[in-house]
Amino acid sequence: GDSVTQMEGPVTLSEEAFLTINCTYTATGYPSLFWYVQYPGEGLQLLLKATKADDKGSNKGFEATYRKETTSFHLEKGSVQVSDSAVYFCALKWSTGKLIFGQGTTLQVKP
Amino acid sequence: NAGVTQTPKFQVLKTGQSMTLQCAQDMNHNSMYWYRQDPGMGLRLIYYSASEGTTDKGEVPNGYNVSRLNKREFSLRLESAAPSQTSVYFCASSEYGTLNTEAFFGQGTRLTVV
Repeated sequence: GDSVTQMEGPVTLSEEAFLTINCTYTATGYPSLFWYVQYPGEGLQLLLKATKADDKGSNKGFEATYRKETTSFHLEKGSVQVSDSAVYFCALKWSTGKLIFGQGTTLQVKP
Repeated sequence: NAGVTQTPKFQVLKTGQSMTLQCAQDMNHNSMYWYRQDPGMGLRLIYYSASEGTTDKGEVPNGYNVSRLNKREFSLRLESAAPSQTSVYFCASSEYGTLNTEAFFGQGTRLTVV
């Protein structure tokens, strides 16, 4: 069935380090791909998205490229800040409305 | 704009009790969702309603029922609560049929079943 797998956390980095959070998926059809972020005590909010193969989504210094050949959508940022500490979720959405998430990856950035 | 509003925010139930979690959105979205969030498991889809009048099972529907009352409201019912249903529940809404539209989330309901 359809599923999303993320790298296990927590990921602990020093400020200004390079970030990669891996996301791979198994999907029927042609879903759009998303990254959402959840700050403590809050609901999820959209970080970036990509709708078709080779699209690159970007926002706030974060980037991810829709790789159909490797069924991946890895999240990257060149220089993380303490304020980036949060839980990051990879997600897939189909035109039927179905929307599923990965298990989340906790990022801790230390000064 | 309130966005997506969930009630209650916290609830403690005894095993076997029933309750309904309420969700309402004011963004005129067609699609609505219920998820549960458990440590290490991420968000798992319980049920979703792609449009008013339709509901579909998600990844973990057992033990739950839903009602799409109207376009704005989508409720989740636990008929006989079990400790395994202790979780944080999130409601979300989005546009229907458009792949790249984001989902908007409520603040969550923290449910404990003792």
